[in-house]
Amino acid sequence: DTEVTQTPKHLVMGMTNKKSLKCEQHMGHRAMYWYKQKAKKPPELMFVYSYEKLSINESVPSRFSPECPNSSLLNLHLHALQPEDSALYLCASSGTSTLDEQFFGPGTRLTVL
Amino acid sequence: EDQVTQSPEALRLQEGESSSLNCSYTVSGLRGLFWYRQDPGKGPEFLFTLYSAGEEKEKERLKATLTKKESFLHITAPKPEDSATYLCAVQAASGNQFYFGTGTSLTVIP
Repeated sequence: DTEVTQTPKHLVMGMTNKKSLKCEQHMGHRAMYWYKQKAKKPPELMFVYSYEKLSINESVPSRFSPECPNSSLLNLHLHALQPEDSALYLCASSGTSTLDEQFFGPGTRLTVL
Repeated sequence: EDQVTQSPEALRLQEGESSSLNCSYTVSGLRGLFWYRQDPGKGPEFLFTLYSAGEEKEKERLKATLTKKESFLHITAPKPEDSATYLCAVQAASGNQFYFGTGTSLTVIP
């Protein structure tokens, strides 16, 4: 299995909702990432997990809460989001360290009403 | 400050018309430079990693090269299916982050 999967593909939520995004990889990668991408912009790094521990948090608002239950799974919990949080959320993973090339999932298109 | 700049922002080519995309970077020690292709609404697809000046890598119609200040992605005889946004990213020695450039949107016209 050489891919990163993300669910759901699309998500529409209200500002008072709580939802979660899920990311999974079975390549034995030990680093996993969350990115946010707005239209016609490059991906912006949000969080990095290395060996299931949060190693980077790029000053992301607390309404985004990451979780890494095991080495294959990464979640992003969403609560009280704003319309400006609407974007494509990308998950990526890389080999045995954060030095290797990252492989991206297809993304979750999030719309906040 | 670490920075990555890509040019041009957009490029339109006729099918078969070769060209190059540029990625200029300033980082305090380069660990790696990465090229990705991204189709609309999809995640970036990994193409190449380059680690040191003088390195070159090829894949089908694409060839990536690296100098101490920039990287080029050469596209030889492109086809319409090569139309996409091409992103470069650098990883600095100082940390684990990828710094992405703003991308080049390539359109190949039949």
